[in-house]
Amino acid sequence: AIQLTQSPSSLSASVGDRVTITCRASQAISSALAWYQQSPGKAPKLLIFDASILERGVPSRFSGSGSGTDFTLTISSLRPEDSATYYCQHFNTYPHSHTFGQGTKLEIK
Amino acid sequence: QVQLQESGPGLVKPSQTLSLTCTVSGGSISSGPYCWSWVRQPAGKGLEWIGRINNSGGTNFNPSLKNRVTISVDTSKNQFSLNLSSVTAADTAMYYCAREELRDYYYMDVWGTGTTVTVSS
Repeated sequence: AIQLTQSPSSLSASVGDRVTITCRASQAISSALAWYQQSPGKAPKLLIFDASILERGVPSRFSGSGSGTDFTLTISSLRPEDSATYYCQHFNTYPHSHTFGQGTKLEIK
Repeated sequence: QVQLQESGPGLVKPSQTLSLTCTVSGGSISSGPYCWSWVRQPAGKGLEWIGRINNSGGTNFNPSLKNRVTISVDTSKNQFSLNLSSVTAADTAMYYCAREELRDYYYMDVWGTGTTVTVSS
């Protein structure tokens, strides 16, 4: 089974900072990767799909890149409301299944 | 605007079956390029996909749970349901239902608010 490893597990940054979170797949997964944001006490929210496509309504300071095994989520200029845990997720096409990374907790200083 | 809402007992005894229902509002559960998933999250931990059902009733499950999981759909009520048998304390978690939309791949674009299930005698 494909495994997703996120790094770092946690990070702290200031408002206005640029932040990058990495997700590495245990084998090549093309662009079948999404990023979710989970604010405390809330359900996850889809931010990015197909590795780099911004979900409608998501601010443009969020971006995704990568293909194959290495993927990144970048927040270009942090805002206080970006304090959350971020998860990458892969959809496997055979058999159909989903795998999540372990999460990256982002704290705003 | 499609919305999902989980419902079911908040407390289940060990060895019994956990049963949850997700009610879909604002759209038909049987139309569109959608599948319907269950995801859980133990307190303070990460997300774990449990399984999914498509519009034709076909199912897929997390291999680690497949022997204990059934997912069904009731199109007349616009609901889908999760049954998890032989539960233990390790099944204590927040349980979310989610809609998957087919883009190039399936992604979970609409989520319920979640329901907490505790397994305890």
